[in-house]
Parts: sequence; structure tokens; C-alpha cells
Amino acid sequence: AQKVTQAQTEISVVEKEDVTLDCVYETRDTTYYLFWYKQPPSGELVFLIRRNSFDEQNEISGRYSWNFQKSTSSFNFTITASQVVDSAVYFCALMDSNYQLIWGAGTKLIIKP
Amino acid sequence: EAGVTQSPTHLIKTRGQQATLRCSPISGHTSVYWYQQALGLGLQFLLWYDEGEERNRGNFPPRFSGRQFPNYSSELNVNALELEDSALYLCASSWGGTLAKNIQYFGAGTRLSVL
Repeated sequence: AQKVTQAQTEISVVEKEDVTLDCVYETRDTTYYLFWYKQPPSGELVFLIRRNSFDEQNEISGRYSWNFQKSTSSFNFTITASQVVDSAVYFCALMDSNYQLIWGAGTKLIIKP
Repeated sequence: EAGVTQSPTHLIKTRGQQATLRCSPISGHTSVYWYQQALGLGLQFLLWYDEGEERNRGNFPPRFSGRQFPNYSSELNVNALELEDSALYLCASSWGGTLAKNIQYFGAGTRLSVL
């Protein structure tokens, strides 16, 4: 069965701290895609990154970085030098061969000034 | 370029009524997806339309239905509303075709409240 687990329900850090959001997935597909989305209080889901199952290179985009490890079925997301504007709910998702996104429960990130 | 637009922003209905939610995809996108985000239940896949046809359906009763128009916009209909249908309904669009091209971009959602 396809499943995405985000074990951290809520994380609270002080601004400028680094924070890592964990994501563990389960799938039997050999070809799959992993995603991270951000949902600010406004409600709209904002696409952050997509990774395919054949590309284990880490990705860095500004203060954001992603670590994909097939050996541990994990796709973790790190924010460096966090800012108050990073406060949101972050979702990890898995796309299966049916083009269906299977979502984690989300991690609420609170950045305190 | 305009993103995914959804209307209305908020919708208040009473139990037993019908609700119609609308979604316009990003220009050039042929696939539209509907998701329900209810408190405590997370994001759940509802429906997927591509090129005017329903391609996949989540685990929801038949009173959740929809369609996709020739201009690729879409409508979600919820009949015989129940209190537990209260949720944020999110629409997403993407290029159709291969899995490799599939990134779903979301609208701001319609918040449906059933009283």
C-alpha cells in the first residue's frame, strides 16, 4: 500500500534556527514522484519541489534543501536560517502510477520572532 | 500567467442542499484534480478529470460528482449535503500526459460550510 508519514505534527523554533521536516514513504512502485508543498494560513497549497525515484541528488534552493534517500524511504526538507514567513503547514506527498497524490498528515511549522 | 482560480471562496449551505464548486485551470493545463481537506482527516483525493473525462476517483460516495468542460474548467457537485462535508475543497491543475510532466498546481480553495 502507498503511504506517506510525517511524524512531526508541529514544530516550533525561534527565527534564524535551522529546522528539518521529516517524511517517510512506502510504495511498491519502482517509478514514483515525491513532492513537498507549503500551505500558508491563506489555504493555497504552494508547490515547492518534485523528485523522481531515479534521482537521489540532493537539491538546494536558497534557504531550502531536500535530502532524498531511497535506502531509508525518506525525503526530508530542511529550512536554513528560518524566518517568520516560513510559518505554514508543510505537506509531503507521493504520486503513484495512477497520477494520484497520496499525502502525509502535514507538519505545522511555527517560527517565533 | 493566471494561476488556478476557484469560486466561490466561501459557500454556506444547509444539510440536504446541493453545492456547486468551480475551478479554472492554468492556461494550457488539461487535467483538473479535486481534493477535500477536512479538519482531522487531512487531504483526500476526490476526482481527476483529463480531456473532459473522469480518469480516477477517490473513496467518496456517488453524491460527489463533477465534470470537465471543453475549455478544461471543472465543476464539483455535492448532492444531499451532510454536516461532515464541511471542508476546504481544493482544485489543482496540471499538464496531462505522462507522469513525468505531472506537477499539480493548486487554487486557494472553496471553504464549504454545511449547517
